[in-house]
Amino acid sequence: KQEVTQIPAALSVPEGENLVLNCSFTDSAIYNLQWFRQDPGKGLTSLLLIQSSQREQTSGRLNASLDKSSGRSTLYIAASQPGDSATYLCAVRFYKAAGNKLTFGGGTRVLVKP
Amino acid sequence: DGGITQSPKYLFRKEGQNVTLSCEQNLNHDAMYWYRQDPGQGLRLIYYSQIVNDFQKGDIAEGYSVSREKKESFPLTVTSAQKNPTAFYLCASSINGPTAKNIQYFGAGTRLSVL
Repeated sequence: KQEVTQIPAALSVPEGENLVLNCSFTDSAIYNLQWFRQDPGKGLTSLLLIQSSQREQTSGRLNASLDKSSGRSTLYIAASQPGDSATYLCAVRFYKAAGNKLTFGGGTRVLVKP
Repeated sequence: DGGITQSPKYLFRKEGQNVTLSCEQNLNHDAMYWYRQDPGQGLRLIYYSQIVNDFQKGDIAEGYSVSREKKESFPLTVTSAQKNPTAFYLCASSINGPTAKNIQYFGAGTRLSVL
């Protein structure tokens, strides 16, 4: 079964500390992996998409790595700010999935304390 | 403004009632999706459509129905058969095809509650 897991479910850090968010998936045959941000009661905002052929993607303070062989991705947020407080979701598009289906992890809820 | 519009933002359903959630996109995307999100959980796929007049069941289609009569629109009906409809519903769209660069774009969501 193709599954995506995010641990921990919640994380609290002081402002300025680097954030490290983990995502693991059960099947290495993937098209891509996407990280999203979700603010309370809102939709999803795409942060980064890593194609299966890539090892990492960077955007500003965000860096996402991908290790297909071990079934892991890590999202790094440098020098965290209170505005980074949100839930971060990881989603994978597996080769064998019908249509363009994304399989989501349960998310990590992040609180950055001033 | 290009994007995905979901309406209404909040919706209340009475027992035995069918309700319809609207999703419209002006991104010229062929594929559209409906997801359900329960508190503290990730998203689960209800239905998806890769082309007009065609749609497929996702992982949790029971108690839901959809139509895709226009490329821009993909409404979701929550029927009385769905016994636990309280959730946050998200619509998404993307270009079609299993390319590695295929990104799904999401609407702002509809929160459905049972009266």
